[in-house]
Amino acid sequence: KAGVTQTPRYLIKTRGQQVTLSCSPISGHRSVSWYQQTPGQGLQFLFEYFSETQRNKGNFPGRFSGRQFSNSRSEMNVSTLELGDSALYLCASSLSLGGNEQFFGPGTRLTVL
Amino acid sequence: GQNIDQPTEMTATEGAIVQINCTYQTSGFNGLFWYQQHAGEAPTFLSYNVLDGLEEKGRFSSFLSRSKGYSYLLLKELQMKDSASYLCAVRASGGSYIPTFGRGTSLIVHP
Repeated sequence: KAGVTQTPRYLIKTRGQQVTLSCSPISGHRSVSWYQQTPGQGLQFLFEYFSETQRNKGNFPGRFSGRQFSNSRSEMNVSTLELGDSALYLCASSLSLGGNEQFFGPGTRLTVL
Repeated sequence: GQNIDQPTEMTATEGAIVQINCTYQTSGFNGLFWYQQHAGEAPTFLSYNVLDGLEEKGRFSSFLSRSKGYSYLLLKELQMKDSASYLCAVRASGGSYIPTFGRGTSLIVHP
């Protein structure tokens, strides 16, 4: 069974631009969560999607948004990029909402210049 | 809010046993997770504890005491490949299923 896949793996953008990251969960998994990981703040929750609906949201500004499609694939978008948005963005999937075992993808390394 | 504390870094010798502690303060409790993350890689799930006691899984064991807000991850027969960051995450009760992660403990295993 294929694992969680994320594209692209690496991305370089400049301040003010926007970016869209993609995540394909493990087949059969319906819940997708997004996290931001930085050396200073650790792993921080962004949002969780289940059945194409955002079910939970972390404490991030409205520039961070996401969506989930009917095949459970998910995208997250960051608009008006800031230097502080440079981070590893991780996607995790689980069978159900609030599933005890989350499987993480390899992440997208975003660098904002 | 939630507060999760774990040591920043630990070192140990190959073949030894190491215990990584995690203390937490949460508004309600609905489970504690341990993840392993190698440098440059995604976190991988190690364990989930929701009841007090010790859960053993091969060389790794995880312990939970809800009354003390305390957990530890025990790694036996350390191998070089165990050098990684170990993340403790706690899920509060109250409807949200989202775990809050600690900053992680970087474990360095020496030969």
